[in-house]
Amino acid sequence: DIVVTQSPLSLPVTPGEPASISCRSSQSLLKSDGNNYLEWYLQKPGQSPRLLIYLGSNRASGVPDRFSGSGSGTDFTLKISRVEAEDVGVYYCMQGLQMPLTFGGGTKVEIK
Amino acid sequence: EVQLVESGGDLVQPGGSLRLSCAASGFTFANYWMYWVRQAPGKGLVWVSRIQSDGAGTIYADSVKGRFTISRDNAKNTLYLQMNSLRADDTAVYYCARRGGSAFDIWGRGTLVTVSS
Repeated sequence: DIVVTQSPLSLPVTPGEPASISCRSSQSLLKSDGNNYLEWYLQKPGQSPRLLIYLGSNRASGVPDRFSGSGSGTDFTLKISRVEAEDVGVYYCMQGLQMPLTFGGGTKVEIK
Repeated sequence: EVQLVESGGDLVQPGGSLRLSCAASGFTFANYWMYWVRQAPGKGLVWVSRIQSDGAGTIYADSVKGRFTISRDNAKNTLYLQMNSLRADDTAVYYCARRGGSAFDIWGRGTLVTVSS
């Protein structure tokens, strides 16, 4: 199974400041079609997860452009250019390359 | 509106059975592969099972293989998860999710399954 590891576990942020979450996989997520099969989700308190980024760097419909995904192979990053109060919650990365699909352990983003 | 609504969660004793349902609306259900993902209290997300759009192909996480069965009724726009031989570590919120465009683009609100005596 592909192991997906996120860091940090917890991320205190200041509104208006940037934030960054790292995601690493035990195997390359780059497929022969040129896509990285890495997704990012945000689970706000008391809600179900919501898709933010797919195929490594593509923003899902309706996701603010302050969110961006980057990386390739085994190292990926989710960046928030200017954190807003509504961005608090737990962020998960997930590899979609092979079964079983596996999630990172999550990064809890909270306002300082 | 595109949505998924789970139901069927309950308190059940160890060794018991439960069937979860996920009603889809607002999209052509028969066109999509569907998944179950669970989240134990205070824990992270874990993939449970997948079924192809025509119901022909299914796959399970090792932790539920042989105990859970995923199925779907495309005429009723409904996804199911039959859970047998339930254990305490199956306690979780169970989400159904649509796989669209290489991601889980639609999630339900989840249904809580509690396994306890």
